[in-house]
Amino acid sequence: KNEVEQSPQNLTAQEGEFITINCSYSVGISALHWLQQHPGGGIVSLFMLSSGKKKHGRLIATINIQEKHSSLHITASHPRDSAVYICAVSKAAGNKLTFGGGTRVLVKP
Amino acid sequence: DTGVSQDPRHKITKRGQNVTFRCDPISEHNRLYWYRQTLGQGPEFLTYFQNEAQLEKSRLLSDRFSAERPKGSFSTLEIQRTEQGDSAMYLCASSLTTGKAFFGQGTRLTVV
Repeated sequence: KNEVEQSPQNLTAQEGEFITINCSYSVGISALHWLQQHPGGGIVSLFMLSSGKKKHGRLIATINIQEKHSSLHITASHPRDSAVYICAVSKAAGNKLTFGGGTRVLVKP
Repeated sequence: DTGVSQDPRHKITKRGQNVTFRCDPISEHNRLYWYRQTLGQGPEFLTYFQNEAQLEKSRLLSDRFSAERPKGSFSTLEIQRTEQGDSAMYLCASSLTTGKAFFGQGTRLTVV
């Protein structure tokens, strides 16, 4: 079993819909990261969090340390949000990342 | 600073050839990571450096793979005697000791 599991693997939404991506992990962590990857490969770090909730624009990330679960929410989704969203954990501060398999999101106009 | 840069962006090579990739991290970042990503999968850890010291290597990094960061700045990843299974996106990232990671655009390797 992978240490980091994401669901769903694929998600299609209509523009304006609220999107939720889930991430569960099975190891002790220092931080959890949400990353965005567009076609062509570049990865952008969206959030790094170790507790609670963070918000940036239309993106919200939450984490429940006791349940070892995190969610990424996209409010008022837009076609430009179409990308692969990847959850990753670091087991110690500044250490390597262990990645989930990613969630491919397609937002249709 | 323009972020993490990787060179080349794409590389096509014949099986059995050697290839070398370069990563230039963000200048003040002391940590540098190499990851590999195959199609449809999340990235997998290969190795990482703190300054010039290679602190950890994955079991994925066979003896055909070697990475260096000679002066604690740029890093190179060399693959000797390439195999078709080496075809993947090779990603470099850098960070401060406790900060978030910044990724390069990756080098896509195709072994034919």
